[in-house]
Amino acid sequence: DTGVSQNPRHKITKRGQNVTFRCDPISEHNRLYWYRQTLGQGPEFLTYFQNEAQLEKSRLLSDRFSAERPKGSFSTLEIQRTEQGDSAMYLCASSSYGGAPSAGANVLTFGAGSRLTVL
Amino acid sequence: AQSVTQLGSHVSVSEGALVLLRCNYSSSVPPYLFWYVQYPNQGLQLLLKYTSAATLVKGINGFEAEFKKSETSFHLTKPSAHMSDAAEYFCAVIELQGAQKLVFGQGTRLTINP
Repeated sequence: DTGVSQNPRHKITKRGQNVTFRCDPISEHNRLYWYRQTLGQGPEFLTYFQNEAQLEKSRLLSDRFSAERPKGSFSTLEIQRTEQGDSAMYLCASSSYGGAPSAGANVLTFGAGSRLTVL
Repeated sequence: AQSVTQLGSHVSVSEGALVLLRCNYSSSVPPYLFWYVQYPNQGLQLLLKYTSAATLVKGINGFEAEFKKSETSFHLTKPSAHMSDAAEYFCAVIELQGAQKLVFGQGTRLTINP
């Protein structure tokens, strides 16, 4: 297993265009997370899947953002009608934790990220 | 809700000197705390984690962190800095409910001077 894979690594687009990012988690991991990281800041949580179910979404995830994980494996994050404020690194992480809330065992493995630049 | 605060957005040390990166947490329950490192154009890599066992936690690359409940701190240290330690370091706490997601601090950029 080569870890969490994200594509594309870099995307430059014009304002108003749609973009889609893909995340391939570690194969046996049932949990998948999307984060956004802007320059000089820590990653901020966007959304979370357990298998194919999207169980939590941040208020940061506006109506222009949609995420899917159709078969409980890879996930996509689509941004419609991009704005300059969407420019950021989009990070995907996965984990295999499935127990009770002694959550220290929920160790997230991150991908290298997809950097979006909106002109 | 759990949160962490990293003191100092930028720390600069000489090669061979002690590295100290500060992190304070806020939590109404015993927290689970993590340190991640991010090299340029890469994702985040786990350095170490505290899960209520030993208060002194050893991680990769010679780093360690000590959980101090009385100070609500989880500072990261390394006795002797190496040029390859130059990176961004993030402290994080895990939320115990729902998604059990990581909540990150704003990060500390570590620069190593030759």
